[in-house]
Amino acid sequence: EIVMTQSPATLSVSPGERATLSCRASQSIRSNLAWYHQKPGQAPRLLIYGASTRATGVPARFSGFASGTEFTLTISSLQSEDFAVYYCQQYDNWPLTFGGGTKVEIK
Amino acid sequence: EVQLLESGGGFVQPGGSLRLSCAASGFTFSSYAMHWVRQAPGKGLEWVSTISNSGDSTYYADSVRGRFTISRDNSDNTLYLQLNSLRAEDTAVYYCANGYCTTNGVCYTKSIQHYWGQGTLVTVSS
Repeated sequence: EIVMTQSPATLSVSPGERATLSCRASQSIRSNLAWYHQKPGQAPRLLIYGASTRATGVPARFSGFASGTEFTLTISSLQSEDFAVYYCQQYDNWPLTFGGGTKVEIK
Repeated sequence: EVQLLESGGGFVQPGGSLRLSCAASGFTFSSYAMHWVRQAPGKGLEWVSTISNSGDSTYYADSVRGRFTISRDNSDNTLYLQLNSLRAEDTAVYYCANGYCTTNGVCYTKSIQHYWGQGTLVTVSS
């Protein structure tokens, strides 16, 4: 099973600031990496797939980058609606696996 | 507009069974792989199962293999998850989600969870 490790567990950021979230895969997953976010009481929403492709309707302030088994999600200027929990997921191998999540909270 | 509506959750004793349903609309259901993902209270996301667009191929997490069965009815645009031999650790919100097809119509079974339903809560307790 591929283990996905996210860091940090919690990120405190002020509105308008930049946030960078990390995700590491325990082995190569090529670019088969997705990012989701989830607000309290809501279902997750797909943000990024293929490590760097924004899903339909996702604002340009969200960007994904890959380097080997290291992946990052950057939010260039945090808006109030971006405070949520973010999950990465690999879909290169069965079983599909998620990281433990990063909570982005208001500083 | 893609819509996914789960139902069938509820309270069940350990060892019991439930059948979850997911009614799909707004996309060509028979073209897409479908997924179930769960989330225990206060915890992260856990992939549970995937079924190919035709229903010929199914995949399961080790934690549910042999107890849960995924199926689909492409004539009725409905996804199912049969939950048997339920345990306390199966308590979670269960989400259905569709997979991914390219704009050229190439569809993937091992894929992202593109659109998600709102989930249905399963509580296993004595």
